[in-house]
Amino acid sequence: AQSVSQHNHHVILSEAASLELGCNYSYGGTVNLFWYVQYPGQHLQLLLKYFSGDPLVKGIKGFEAEFIKSKFSFNLRKPSVQWSDTAEYFCAVNAGSNSGYALNFGKGTSLLVTP
Amino acid sequence: DTAVSQTPKYLVTQMGNDKSIKCEQNLGHDTMYWYKQDSKKFLKIMFSYNNKELIINETVPNRFSPKSPDKAHLNLHINSLELGDSAVYFCASSQDRLAGVETQYFGPGTRLLVL
Repeated sequence: AQSVSQHNHHVILSEAASLELGCNYSYGGTVNLFWYVQYPGQHLQLLLKYFSGDPLVKGIKGFEAEFIKSKFSFNLRKPSVQWSDTAEYFCAVNAGSNSGYALNFGKGTSLLVTP
Repeated sequence: DTAVSQTPKYLVTQMGNDKSIKCEQNLGHDTMYWYKQDSKKFLKIMFSYNNKELIINETVPNRFSPKSPDKAHLNLHINSLELGDSAVYFCASSQDRLAGVETQYFGPGTRLLVL
């Protein structure tokens, strides 16, 4: 079945630690990949997206993600997290008609950054 | 200048009632969506709609129906509410949907509690 998998459901890091959140997808064909963030009590905001070109994508707030087609992966990274990065992180795939023209989300990763 | 707005923010109601959630976007987008976020924060597409076509996720009960009075609005009507309908409902919009690369902009969510 077509799906999006996020391997880490809960992550706890100290400030300044490096972050990597895993995301794998199982859609065939052309895919467009997104990372969204949901800060406590707020709506989803786009962190970054990939649809073509350089597989290393830079987003807002120092986040980046690398698309590795052979591994069907789109992992999110940040070299040094801050307390304000505490949030839910969602990986999503839009595969056009193969995904109903909508975002199909992973189950999210809850990140807690401690001072 | 909220891009995607939803009303109400909170909705508490009894089982069996009929309710509506309103969504408006001022971005001039052609496509709007409704997503449901369950208690485990899992986001799932319910509907994707533009002025040409409604795409319904086949798992959505027919008690749920989207209504679009114009391009800027996509309201969600729910008949005969059930306990399992308790969730956060997010509206989103994008410029188009055909290529799947467009960023979707999300509203703040409506937290529905069915008693």
